[in-house]
Amino acid sequence: LAKTTQPISMDSYEGQEVNITCSHNNIATNDYITWYQQFPSQGPRFIIQGYKTKVTNEVASLFIPADRKSSTLSLPRVSLSDTAVYYCLVVLGDAGNMLTFGGGTRLMVKP
Amino acid sequence: KAGVTQTPRYLIKTRGQQVTLSCSPISGHRSVSWYQQTPGQGLQFLFEYFSETQRNKGNFPGRFSGRQFSNSRSEMNVSTLELGDSALYLCASSLSPQETQYFGPGTRLLVL
Repeated sequence: LAKTTQPISMDSYEGQEVNITCSHNNIATNDYITWYQQFPSQGPRFIIQGYKTKVTNEVASLFIPADRKSSTLSLPRVSLSDTAVYYCLVVLGDAGNMLTFGGGTRLMVKP
Repeated sequence: KAGVTQTPRYLIKTRGQQVTLSCSPISGHRSVSWYQQTPGQGLQFLFEYFSETQRNKGNFPGRFSGRQFSNSRSEMNVSTLELGDSALYLCASSLSPQETQYFGPGTRLLVL
């Protein structure tokens, strides 16, 4: 299983862009990169998923370089409500639904 | 479309008892997975069901079991509860095993 490494915590201020980088050096050809957001005592919420280059949705952007050994989640103009734990996962393309969560990045957005 | 629902939301049990948790997936989703989340161990995969069959199982003792019904609803059971089973139990559903998983709000279990 491809292991992910991401910062334990990050601080930001309202209105700033936040970039959280995740490394996954042994990602396999069939693997996808997925990010979830989790608030305390709630289930993780799917943010974005990508395979290569750039993916953008109404919430975030995901940048994946050509070697796919890392990825960066970009949250534009964060607000206080974006304070949460963000998980980077490498999802095995052919191994069903066994998600392996790491420790995540605890993002604190300050006023 | 309604999201994943889990019942009950909160539960208090004592050691040695058994508990059954229920999960209703998003309409049309046929794959259901269960996870345990604790402060010490984080989010850990329990098991995955698709078409009423268990496809994968995490590294948990046999006291943890589950099943899936023909309508894709799923239940998990924990027998002979231990204090360490206190956790947030999360259910996630997806259209099929290789699709994006969407999580429910979880069931908070406290074992006294």
